[in-house]
Amino acid sequence: DAGITQSPRHKVTETGTPVTLRCHQTENHRYMYWYRQDPGHGLRLIHYSYGVKDTDKGEVSDGYSVSRSKTEDFLLTLESATSSQTSVYFCAISGTSGAHYNEQFFGPGTRLTVL
Amino acid sequence: SQQGEEDPQALSIQEGENATMNCSYKTSINNLQWYRQNSGRGLVHLILIRSNEREKHSGRLRVTLDTSKKSSSLLITASRAADTASYFCATESSRDDKIIFGKGTRLHILP
Repeated sequence: DAGITQSPRHKVTETGTPVTLRCHQTENHRYMYWYRQDPGHGLRLIHYSYGVKDTDKGEVSDGYSVSRSKTEDFLLTLESATSSQTSVYFCAISGTSGAHYNEQFFGPGTRLTVL
Repeated sequence: SQQGEEDPQALSIQEGENATMNCSYKTSINNLQWYRQNSGRGLVHLILIRSNEREKHSGRLRVTLDTSKKSSSLLITASRAADTASYFCATESSRDDKIIFGKGTRLHILP
């Protein structure tokens, strides 16, 4: 398995509180991604990073911000959580050389519930 | 949106039979990937097929790509109980290199 972990794995929080999810990799991959997975929607990209301090928005970025100060860490922040952000969040990495350059490796996911 | 759309949404077959699921997309792509997700777990990469390829094999998996029809199929031969999972296609746009996942096909292998 690719060395990618997410923390916390489960979190319950209240509407209006800030939440930060962490993705940590030990593979020195260039690209890191945050997705959310909801029934009926599949996986949707929130934000991604193509290097330290280089990030860009995905298709559902409203209400989320990200930061990448080190190659190994990619943080997802919900500044003021809402019930619509209840979801399972997955981090993914990619960027090895050669034929596997486009393959993404996924973390185990974080289940977030906003009450 | 160039989101891939898998078909069918759900599929149940007997163990030993072949399973076929399809993915359609809307715009030009660099490549198309298939992933598997077991319940409660992250996605696992299965196979990648590039836009200039028509067919690719990996073990019991066979993937085809028809860029003229903007569609791909994933065939799993001699299915096993362990193949029970959701399967997703993901397309990489040739315009902006972004990867978009479809909603998935839930495959259930009956004993």
